[in-house]
Amino acid sequence: NAGVTQTPKFQVLKTGQSMTLQCAQDMNHNSMYWYRQDPGMGLRLIYYSASEGTTDKGEVPNGYNVSRLNKREFSLRLESAAPSQTSVYFCASSEEGDSSYGYTFGSGTRLTVV
Amino acid sequence: GQSLEQPSEVTAVEGAIVQMNCTYQTSGFYGLSWYQQHDGGAPTFLSYNALDGLEETGRFSSFLSRSDSYGYLLLQELQMKDSASYFCAALGGAGTALIFGKGTTLSVSS
Repeated sequence: NAGVTQTPKFQVLKTGQSMTLQCAQDMNHNSMYWYRQDPGMGLRLIYYSASEGTTDKGEVPNGYNVSRLNKREFSLRLESAAPSQTSVYFCASSEEGDSSYGYTFGSGTRLTVV
Repeated sequence: GQSLEQPSEVTAVEGAIVQMNCTYQTSGFYGLSWYQQHDGGAPTFLSYNALDGLEETGRFSSFLSRSDSYGYLLLQELQMKDSASYFCAALGGAGTALIFGKGTTLSVSS
């Protein structure tokens, strides 16, 4: 099925560990995004990539890095995980920055940092 | 910066009509989108308004007033399956990304 695939679906990390969240889309979309969702906080933008080769910071970029590996893949890295990074992480993609066709979201990665 | 305000909760009964509001403050504005999210699921796109007025898609309608920095999502003939969170989101300009409100949780009872 066409869409956005995120791996892993669940992860538990110890404080200070690092990990990379993977995201791939097969819809030939130009733009990709990373959001985090915490209870009562809605979706907050971490980083985005308007097109292959570009990345920009969002609302809450501290503690994260991203790589737009190619048009299909956009990864999110936590270099030194902290309990405050416990969250559900969603990757999304869209045809371009214009949202008229909507973003397609992956199923999420549920991350717990202990 | 950008911020979007939504009521946190709305309750309604099956068959009724419900309106969920969204007010926004943005440094730039291209349009207002609406997304639905069921518990434990991914957000899914419902509608987009770039111009003032009402857009209708089946039981769902979305309205935008740029002069009032205001929009709403209208759901008609409510069904139990409509119980979910609904988020408005704004795009501030070309090459940027959607900023979301905190969402309204809709509970539909029989």
